[in-house]
Amino acid sequence: DAGITQSPRHKVTETGTPVTLRCHQTENHRYMYWYRQDPGHGLRLIHYSYGVKDTDKGEVSDGYSVSRSKTEDFLLTLESATSSQTSVYFCAISDDGPLTNEKLFFGSGTQLSVL
Amino acid sequence: QQQVKQSPQSLIVQKGGISIINCAYENTAFDYFPWYQQFPGKGPALLIAIRPDVSEKKEGRFTISFNKSAKQFSLHIMDSQPGDSATYFCAASLPGANNLFFGTGTRLTVIP
Repeated sequence: DAGITQSPRHKVTETGTPVTLRCHQTENHRYMYWYRQDPGHGLRLIHYSYGVKDTDKGEVSDGYSVSRSKTEDFLLTLESATSSQTSVYFCAISDDGPLTNEKLFFGSGTQLSVL
Repeated sequence: QQQVKQSPQSLIVQKGGISIINCAYENTAFDYFPWYQQFPGKGPALLIAIRPDVSEKKEGRFTISFNKSAKQFSLHIMDSQPGDSATYFCAASLPGANNLFFGTGTRLTVIP
C-alpha cells in the first residue's frame, strides 16, 4: 500500500482510555490524512497535515487530536475513547500541491473497537 | 448530511455483464470526481477520476459518465469479472481543498 504502515492493525480498548494510532510512510510525501470509515457514511476526514507540525481539522475532528513531528509519521490520538469512535481508521498520503486529493494513497487501516 | 449520494448499496452482476453505480451531488463547486475501489482488509485505491469539463472518461473496462446539468456521475464496469468484486466509493472535492467527500459505498459481487 504505497509505503504506508498503520499500527496497530487491530485494537480493543475501553471507554475513557486514551488511544494513539500511528501512520508511518516511506514515500516522503508532504500531505498526510486520517479518515474514518463507517457503514452508511463512507469515509470522512478527521484531520490532515500539510507538513511537519502543520495540521488542520477535517469534517469530524471532535474528540481527536493529531501530531506530526517528522515527515514520515502522523499520529492520531483519541484522548478519551468513546463507543462512537469504534471504526476503521485509514491513513492516506499525497505529494501534490493544492490539488492534493488527486492522488490519495491509503494504508490498510486500523480496526478500533471501544467497549 | 451526505455531500455525495451513492446508489445502489449493493449490486450483484453475472460475469461478463455491465455493472453500473450511480452518484449524485448538490454542490456545483465540486470540480473533481474520483472513484475508489476497496478490497476486504485493504484501503481504498484510486480507480479512475473525471473533471466536469468532460462528459466521459474511459480506462480499460472502467468508464465514468458525467452529467453536469443533472449533477450526477456514474461508474460503468464492462465485462465484469469476479476479480472486480469489491466495494466502490465515489467522491468529490472542491477546488484547492484538502478533503474528499465520499459516497457511502457500493458492494459489488460478480458471480462466475
